[in-house]
Amino acid sequence: AQTVTQSQPEMSVQEAETVTLSCTYDTSESDYYLFWYKQPPSRQMILVIRQEAYKQQNATENRFSVNFQKAAKSFSLKISDSQLGDAAMYFCAYRSAESGGSNYKLTFGKGTLLTVNP
Amino acid sequence: SQTIHQWPATLVQPVGSPLSLECTVEGTSNPNLYWYRQAAGRGLQLLFYSVGIGQISSEVPQNLSASRPQDRQFILSSKKLLLSDSGFYLCALGTSGRLSTDTQYFGPGTRLTVL
Repeated sequence: AQTVTQSQPEMSVQEAETVTLSCTYDTSESDYYLFWYKQPPSRQMILVIRQEAYKQQNATENRFSVNFQKAAKSFSLKISDSQLGDAAMYFCAYRSAESGGSNYKLTFGKGTLLTVNP
Repeated sequence: SQTIHQWPATLVQPVGSPLSLECTVEGTSNPNLYWYRQAAGRGLQLLFYSVGIGQISSEVPQNLSASRPQDRQFILSSKKLLLSDSGFYLCALGTSGRLSTDTQYFGPGTRLTVL
């Protein structure tokens, strides 16, 4: 079974600075997707960024980018020019893309609580 | 663009009472729909998913059930709530047409407290 580990329960960053959130995962599959979701105090889960494992290029979305290291099974999220609105719980998630497996199911890490200091 | 509605936003129910949570989506047809539960201090756990009307697959629960009476409506139910059913319930949709390529987008959630 796949597992997702977020080793940083909490992180803080100064406004306008850069922060990196860590995520590692364990899988024997070669075809999968990785996601970062943001959960602000409203608790709605918001998709931040998605990475397809077969793509070597790291995904980017405005101030958000990932460092995807497939061999190391690492998927970190970098937030540049941090803003107060970035404060939230961030979840890393894995989903299989292989047929016949549990490819409908997102497996989540336990989350990292990000605080942005003014 | 797609919109997900969940009703109610907050619910407090006694142990042993029935439950009905509703999820409706707009702006898409034939979506894949999912129910997740987030217990306090934990990540999300998949409860049910559906690829079409009347098609429900269960992941975990014993005393919860789901139904999909219409293409864009997904209902989570229980006949008798347990204390352990407390949590935050999130509905999600995927629009790729295939489970293996779905990106899941989440609704605003329902906070359920069982007393």
